[in-house]
Order: sequence, then structure tokens, then C-alpha cells
Amino acid sequence: EDKVVQSPLSLVVHEGDTVTLNCSYEVTNFRSLLWYKQEKKAPTFLFMLTSSGIEKKSGRLSSILDKKELFSILNITATQTGDSAVYLCAVGSETSGSRLTFGEGTQLTVNP
Amino acid sequence: DAGVIQSPRHEVTEMGQEVTLRCKPISGHNSLFWYRQTMMRGLELLIYFNNNVPIDDSGMPEDRFSAKMPNASFSTLKIQPSEPRDSAVYFCASSPRSGVSIQPQHFGDGTRLSIL
Repeated sequence: EDKVVQSPLSLVVHEGDTVTLNCSYEVTNFRSLLWYKQEKKAPTFLFMLTSSGIEKKSGRLSSILDKKELFSILNITATQTGDSAVYLCAVGSETSGSRLTFGEGTQLTVNP
Repeated sequence: DAGVIQSPRHEVTEMGQEVTLRCKPISGHNSLFWYRQTMMRGLELLIYFNNNVPIDDSGMPEDRFSAKMPNASFSTLKIQPSEPRDSAVYFCASSPRSGVSIQPQHFGDGTRLSIL
């Protein structure tokens, strides 16, 4: 059974801090890893990673995948209160079709 | 462009009643997913469809749950009879289907279901 573990489960920082969120996985025939941000409603897609060592970047957010060590990190620099959300990591495998397995999420709170 | 549209946004009903949740996927998306989210269990996949055909329903909790997709623009998730433990936020998501690659799923705003 595919497994995704995120850490920490919750994190409280001050505006301007840099944070690193972790996602480790155990998946048979890994295909891709996705990051989502969930505020009050729907999870919204951030990044999809399929290759090791290639950084995906969007503004202050960036993510990288290590397929050898089976983990990914999501970095947020110069955090703002609007970054407060639950960040979800999900993985897909070649044996599970279109199915994604989600981690529990990291609750990030950015205080002014 | 319109995103995934779910209705109702909130549903409060009494135990034993039938509940029907509705979803309209993004036009052109071939895959549709139903999820349930709770504090205890996080985001769980219940069932997904490719081209209106159910592919994996292993996450459907029990026979009280059923899902249909009669056409490419509409799906329902039905609970009958409902129980208090079914209280959760139910999300619908859709994605384009593209060969062997996984596509990002786009989520609706969810239906917050409370069974009294």
C-alpha cells in the first residue's frame, strides 16, 4: 500500500521567516509527486515533480524531489500571512492509475 | 474558465436520510474523483472515473455509498441511509487524462455534510 508521510504536522512562524516542509513516501513504481495548498476550501495545485534534482519554482515557493531517498521538500521564503494554509503532498504510481495518495498535510501558520 | 462545481455547499440532515452530492467537472476533463476529508483520516479517495466508467471504488466505505457518472459533465455521490460518522467534507476533483502520465487534479470547493 502506498504511503505518504509529511512533517512537521504543524508549524508556526513569523512573517519573513523561511520554512521547509517535508514529504517522504513509499510507493511501488513511483510516477510523480504533487504539492497542494489548502486554505479554507479546495486544495489548489502548486507543483508536480517527476524527476530527481530538478527544482520547480513559483515566486517564493520552490520544491525539489529526491527519488533515491524518496522524499520531497517544499520551501517558502519570506513568508507572508497569506501563506497560512495546510500544505498537502500526494504521490501517484504506475500501478495505481490516476489515483493519488495524500499525506496528512502540514498546517502552516504565519503570524504578523 | 469555470472550475469544478459542487452542490450543495452545505448539507445538514438527520440520520437515516438519503444524501445526494453533485459534481460538474471541468469541461474536457476525462477523469473525475470523489474524496472525503476528515480531521481524523485526512483526504481519502472514495472512487474515481475515467471517461464516465468507474475504475477504482476500493475507497467506498460500504454499500451505503454509491456513485454514478451518467455523462461527461455530471456525477453524483449518494449515501443511503446516512449515519453521523459520514459527517465530513466531500470533494470532487477532475483532471485531464493523458496516457501514462499523471495529471494534476483540480478540486471543487467541497460539500460540508453534517449528519445529526
